[in-house]
Amino acid sequence: DIVMTQSPDSLAVSLGERATINCKSSQSVLSSSNNKNYLAWYQQKPGQPPKLLISWASTRESGVPDRFSGSGSGTDFTLSISSLQAEDVAVYFCHQYYSAPITFGQGTRLEIK
Amino acid sequence: EVQLVESGGGLVQPGGSLRLSCAASGFTFSNYWMTWVRQAPGKGLEWVANMKQDGSEKYYVDSVKGRFTISRDNAKNSLYLQMNSLRAEDTAVYYCARGGGFLSDQWGQGTLVTVSS
Repeated sequence: DIVMTQSPDSLAVSLGERATINCKSSQSVLSSSNNKNYLAWYQQKPGQPPKLLISWASTRESGVPDRFSGSGSGTDFTLSISSLQAEDVAVYFCHQYYSAPITFGQGTRLEIK
Repeated sequence: EVQLVESGGGLVQPGGSLRLSCAASGFTFSNYWMTWVRQAPGKGLEWVANMKQDGSEKYYVDSVKGRFTISRDNAKNSLYLQMNSLRAEDTAVYYCARGGGFLSDQWGQGTLVTVSS
């Protein structure tokens, strides 16, 4: 099984500042057949289901603000929020969909400092 | 608008059974993989099972193999999860999600399953 490990577990950032969340997979999620990273990021607010923000490590979903960006390849990935807004308070999960069993990181709780 | 509405959750005793349903609308259900993901109270996300469009491929997390069965009825735009031999550790909100392959892009609001005596 591919184990996904996020860091940090929680993060407090001032409004307007940059937030960075890291995700490491125990095996590469980069496919040699199509050169794509099977890595996604979700945002989950209290009482709501997860919302897909980024797929293929760096492709923003439609409607996701451009302050959200994803980067990385192979086993190391990053979700960045360039200028934190109050509505970004949530738990963020990374997720590999390269192989079954599909696995998620443990989550990073993002708060306002 | 894509809608996924789960139902069938509730309180069940250990060893009991429940059948969850997910009603899909707003997209061509038969074109998509479908997935069940669960989240224990205050915990992270755990993928449970998923199923290919025509049912020819199904995958389960080890902890539910032999106890849970995923199925779908494309004519009714519905996904199901039959859960047998339920344990306390199966207590969670169960989400139905639409997938493109193994990636889930739309999720329902979830249904709570509580396993307790």
